[in-house]
Amino acid sequence: LAKTTQPISMDSYEGQEVNITCSHNNIATNDYITWYQQFPSQGPRFIIQGYKTKVTNEVASLFIPADRKSSTLSLPRVSLSDTAVYYCLVGRYNQGGKLIFGQGTELSVKP
Amino acid sequence: DVKVTQSSRYLVKRTGEKVFLECVQDMDHENMFWYRQDPGLGLRLIYFSYDVKMKEKGDIPEGYSVSREKKERFSLILESASTNQTSMYLCASSQRRGYEQYFGPGTRLTVT
Repeated sequence: LAKTTQPISMDSYEGQEVNITCSHNNIATNDYITWYQQFPSQGPRFIIQGYKTKVTNEVASLFIPADRKSSTLSLPRVSLSDTAVYYCLVGRYNQGGKLIFGQGTELSVKP
Repeated sequence: DVKVTQSSRYLVKRTGEKVFLECVQDMDHENMFWYRQDPGLGLRLIYFSYDVKMKEKGDIPEGYSVSREKKERFSLILESASTNQTSMYLCASSQRRGYEQYFGPGTRLTVT
């Protein structure tokens, strides 16, 4: 099973770029990497998903090196509303694999 | 719009009671999941289901069972609630494993 490790917390300031790294040394060949955002008293919300190299959408970028043993979520120009917990998830694309959430990184954005 | 609903936002039960947590999704998704979330431990998978009447254990299935009689509904059952099952319970669904998961708002269960 691919276990994930993330920093427990990070601090940033409004307007900065934030990079959160997740380690997943035992990632399997058909595992995808997905990141979620969670605000207090709400369920997690999908941010971005990737398999290799770089993926970008309207809210974030995901960088995955060739060995896929880690991944980095990049949030450009954060605002106060980006204060949340960010989870890294490694899971199988096809049926039969288990899904594992990391511990989560608590991001605090200050004015 | 995608929707996952859970039967209760808050629930208080006594030790030894049988507890049912219901989850319904309206997206015709194949996969449904039950997680619990505790401070410092993040989200942990209890059970998941990839089809009607099909289920697999997650990382912490002990003390729980599940039921999926219809595609849209996935129930989590605590046969005999204990205080260490006090937690936030989150239901999710996805079209396929590895695809984006849609979460419900959660049920905060307190067992006294």
